[in-house]
Amino acid sequence: AQTVTQSQPEMSVQEAETVTLSCTYDTSENNYYLFWYKQPPSRQMILVIRQEAYKQQNATENRFSVNFQKAAKSFSLKISDSQLGDTAMYFCAFMTWASGTYKYIFGTGTRLKVLA
Amino acid sequence: EPEVTQTPSHQVTQMGQEVILRCVPISNHLYFYWYRQILGQKVEFLVSFYNNEISEKSEIFDDQFSVERPDGSNFTLKIRSTKLEDSAMYFCASSELGSRGTQYFGPGTRLLVL
Repeated sequence: AQTVTQSQPEMSVQEAETVTLSCTYDTSENNYYLFWYKQPPSRQMILVIRQEAYKQQNATENRFSVNFQKAAKSFSLKISDSQLGDTAMYFCAFMTWASGTYKYIFGTGTRLKVLA
Repeated sequence: EPEVTQTPSHQVTQMGQEVILRCVPISNHLYFYWYRQILGQKVEFLVSFYNNEISEKSEIFDDQFSVERPDGSNFTLKIRSTKLEDSAMYFCASSELGSRGTQYFGPGTRLLVL
């Protein structure tokens, strides 16, 4: 069974600083996708970044980047130049597919607070 | 930019009552999902739906739950006889064919069962 582990329940960072959120996962699959979702206080889940496991290059989206270590099954999220609007719950998700459809398995989340 | 919408945003119901949560997925998407998030806990998969039938469901999705796509736009989750432990945030998501799995989430419906 696939599992996703986020070992940091809470983190804080000063505005404009860089923070890294960790995520590890367990799977026997070779091809899969990984995602980071942001859930601000409004509670809507917003896609931050995705990574295809077959790609060696780490995904980046503006201030967000990942460090994908396939052998170590690690998928950390780095937020550069943190902004107050980055305050949110961040969920790491592993995507698996079966029966012709996709399913996410989420980690327990990391609550990030950006301090002014 | 197209987005997934959900109604109502909040629902309060008495234990044992039936509730229907509604979702309008993004129009060209073909895969639909429901997830649940109990307060303070992680997001849990309930069910996926494709081609007018359930593709996969979790152990949470028991006989009290059902899903339906009654027309070309809505995707509903019905809970027949709500229990206290059904209180949660329910998220609908959709993805398009060939999107390699990226799911877009609605804003959620907060369900409170009293």
